[in-house]
Amino acid sequence: DSGVTQTPKHLITATGQRVTLRCSPRSGDLSVYWYQQSLDQGLQFLIHYYNGEERAKGNILERFSAQQFPDLHSELNLSSLELGDSALYFCASSVGGTWNYEQYFGPGTRLTVT
Amino acid sequence: AQKITQTQPGMFVQEKEAVTLDCTYDTSDQSYGLFWYKQPSSGEMIFLIYQGSYDEQNATEGRYSLNFQKARKSANLVISASQLGDSAMYFCAMSGYNFNKFYFGSGTKLNVKP
Repeated sequence: DSGVTQTPKHLITATGQRVTLRCSPRSGDLSVYWYQQSLDQGLQFLIHYYNGEERAKGNILERFSAQQFPDLHSELNLSSLELGDSALYFCASSVGGTWNYEQYFGPGTRLTVT
Repeated sequence: AQKITQTQPGMFVQEKEAVTLDCTYDTSDQSYGLFWYKQPSSGEMIFLIYQGSYDEQNATEGRYSLNFQKARKSANLVISASQLGDSAMYFCAMSGYNFNKFYFGSGTKLNVKP
């Protein structure tokens, strides 16, 4: 158990809908990272937050948004869902804000868009 | 364009032997980070090892070591004394400074034979 929790574990929804994925980092970790893993695109980095502020953006679509709250949990919002958004969404946390800190991954949220 | 290449889609290794998983990268950045992750069949992502571009020593973490050859732009993962539990997908990844860029390779599936 990495100490990172993600809810829900599975999510099935229809095209055009909006969903929110939640991530709670390990106690003491200030950074949260979001990743997407799909058969088509492989693994992609989406976005990084450190202590409530956005640090870096990767291949995150405009339909997607994220935030990190004062208690350091993070939410990834996906809207106007398309079939191609079906993927495993991971969040990870680390204590520091730069890329040389070890990341701990949550179990992922499996999103299926029908 | 930056890119990570893993040329071995699948590999077999005998238990207790060492194995090298190849990774080459392409970047014009002076400062970057190189990472390896493990993904067992259960789906979770596990951070294994990190190497900074300015680190002169190869990174090691237990049975894992990263063979960093900067001039050749390679960052191979060496697993010593393979165990059955090492059977998994392994992903190489690279970040630019401050995570403004982050790329994963396509992965290598390692099977450890008893």
